Amino acid sequence: DAGVIQSPRHEVTEMGQEVTLRCKPISGHDYLFWYRQTMMRGLELLIYFNNNVPIDDSGMPEDRFSAKMPNASFSTLKIQPSEPRDSAVYFCASTTSSGPTDTQYFGPGTRLTVL
Amino acid sequence: GNSVTQMEGPVTLSEEAFLTINCTYTATGYPSLFWYVQYPGEGLQLLLKATKADDKGSNKGFEATYRKETTSFHLEKGSVQVSDSAVYFCALSSRGGNKLTFGTGTQLKVEL
Repeated sequence: DAGVIQSPRHEVTEMGQEVTLRCKPISGHDYLFWYRQTMMRGLELLIYFNNNVPIDDSGMPEDRFSAKMPNASFSTLKIQPSEPRDSAVYFCASTTSSGPTDTQYFGPGTRLTVL
Repeated sequence: GNSVTQMEGPVTLSEEAFLTINCTYTATGYPSLFWYVQYPGEGLQLLLKATKADDKGSNKGFEATYRKETTSFHLEKGSVQVSDSAVYFCALSSRGGNKLTFGTGTQLKVEL
């Protein structure tokens, strides 16, 4: 079974540009999580969805960040406009309520660099 | 609120050395505890977990025991290998919850 798929793996953009990160969760998983990893702040939960509905977005840093999940197999995290301090590795993770929902399966991450 | 504190790295060991990475936590109720591992260039993977006091999680030679009295979940391995070089994250989730709270991660480097 394919794991969590993220694209792109690497993104380099200039300050002010819009960035869209994509995630395909494991088929059948009904929870999806977006995390950000930086050296300074470690691993932070940004937002998570259950059955495509955002449940907790308290970790989203500011209005420049938005996340959507239009269907069970796809989610996006958008940053508009991007800033250099957004440079980080962004992970998507998924899990299923059929098992322990705190066992999460992570994608390989998107390394974002904002110049 | 919940929090996880783990020892700072990097930790550098010789192959076959004994490994301990300390982890303590603060949480309400009875959380589940986890160790996740991140190999270079990859996402996090669950290494082991324990869901109640005195439980021992184990996998790939790694072990950790849920100690409620000391609010700790230290990771140990008797003989590390070069292939164990990675970043190790301690984490917790509240009982029945979906959110994980991670520690800052500890980088382990194993040399020949």
